[in-house]
Amino acid sequence: QKEVEQNSGPLSVPEGAIASLNCTYSDRGSQSFFWYRQYSGKSPELIMFIYSNGDKEDGRFTAQLNKASQYVSLLIRDSQPSDSATYLCAVPQRVGSARQLTFGSGTQLTVLP
Amino acid sequence: NAGVMQNPRHLVRRRGQEARLRCSPMKGHSHVYWYRQLPEEGLKFMVYLQKENIIDESGMPKERFSAEFPKEGPSILRIQQVVRGDSAAYFCASSPLRGTSTDTQYFGPGTRLTVL
Repeated sequence: QKEVEQNSGPLSVPEGAIASLNCTYSDRGSQSFFWYRQYSGKSPELIMFIYSNGDKEDGRFTAQLNKASQYVSLLIRDSQPSDSATYLCAVPQRVGSARQLTFGSGTQLTVLP
Repeated sequence: NAGVMQNPRHLVRRRGQEARLRCSPMKGHSHVYWYRQLPEEGLKFMVYLQKENIIDESGMPKERFSAEFPKEGPSILRIQQVVRGDSAAYFCASSPLRGTSTDTQYFGPGTRLTVL
């Protein structure tokens, strides 16, 4: 079982719709979770992080965390064509004092105008 | 307030040559991480460094790859005797010195290495 799993997609939604991206993780001890966005040919860009159960909202983005079920999701409201990108879920894996990020394979989102 | 800087942005090498990739962390950040993204694959951790110390290199290939973060100057990822399979995007990330599980890593623009 992969440590961090995402549906690779591609996921297509019409402009203005809600895009829902999901991620599951295997380590029950994981404490924090990050969502990055990566445009083609570019570097990952942090969208938000979450470490408490429940929802965390930032503008059009909402992260949802359920530690009991070991999943974290990202909702994008009022999706725009500029949201078309690959979304990466990342979980810090503590190794000694290190906190390397383990990434999922990413979900490719296309927002259709 | 400059972000994470990496250079060069694109690097072309022939098989057998050496590649040197540089990373300057964000101001105030003392943790540096290197990741590699192979074509059509996900991001994979390579090495974590603090000034003058390699903290975790569990993701580094055992041969030909090395990394350093000297007291002065940028962090350097060095690949000796490059092979075509080393062609990838190499990203550097930095985080502040807090050492908590919510430390956020900010990524540089990456170096795209092409081995001919």
